[in-house]
Amino acid sequence: GAVVSQHPSRVICKSGTSVKIECRSLDFQATTMFWYRQFPKQSLMLMATSNEGSKATYEQGVEKDKFLINHASLTLSTLTVTSAHPEDSSFYICSASFTGGGSYEQYFGPGTRLTVT
Amino acid sequence: AQSVTQLDSHVSVSEGTPVLLRCNYSSSYSPSLFWYVQHPNKGLQLLLKYTSAATLVKGINGFEAEFKKSETSFHLTKPSAHMSDAAEYFCVVRGRGTASKLTFGTGTRLQVTL
Repeated sequence: GAVVSQHPSRVICKSGTSVKIECRSLDFQATTMFWYRQFPKQSLMLMATSNEGSKATYEQGVEKDKFLINHASLTLSTLTVTSAHPEDSSFYICSASFTGGGSYEQYFGPGTRLTVT
Repeated sequence: AQSVTQLDSHVSVSEGTPVLLRCNYSSSYSPSLFWYVQHPNKGLQLLLKYTSAATLVKGINGFEAEFKKSETSFHLTKPSAHMSDAAEYFCVVRGRGTASKLTFGTGTRLQVTL
């Protein structure tokens, strides 16, 4: 149980275009979803936290107009990188959590490798 | 605010020898601590977690960690390394509340040699 999927697993896009990444909780309802970014050989950095039906909370330094997050349902959150540039190339990982049984454990997706050319 | 410090960026061991990956934490309250493993180009897998129950926590694949409040440490150990253990390991501390944020350490790359 507690499986999180991401789609696509890998995407290459041209500079200036937008890319949407989906994060789905397959067998549970996620009250909260998180989006992380990981540069090569570095740790994960939290970008934003989203709760279903409300606006995402962005971490300091993350441009909300560039990284659009939509959490339309309890099983789906999307991250759209708008007007992507080569410096946006990174590994994007989502996680999902639910409050069942008092646990707030985060379950991670397999990640999406974005390359902007 | 909470933070974790992973003392080694890279650890190399021979197959069959013990593994020790060090982590120190800083927190103004009793923390929840985790160890995650990440294989190349993969997502994160939870190895084990400490949430104020037993201080010696056993995880998957033979890993365990001991929470030591006096030393503010949560080191990860395994008695005998296997080639498949080669990966990046992250020590993580969780904040309080229902939308609890995770703060990641900088990671330790474990290399296992023959």
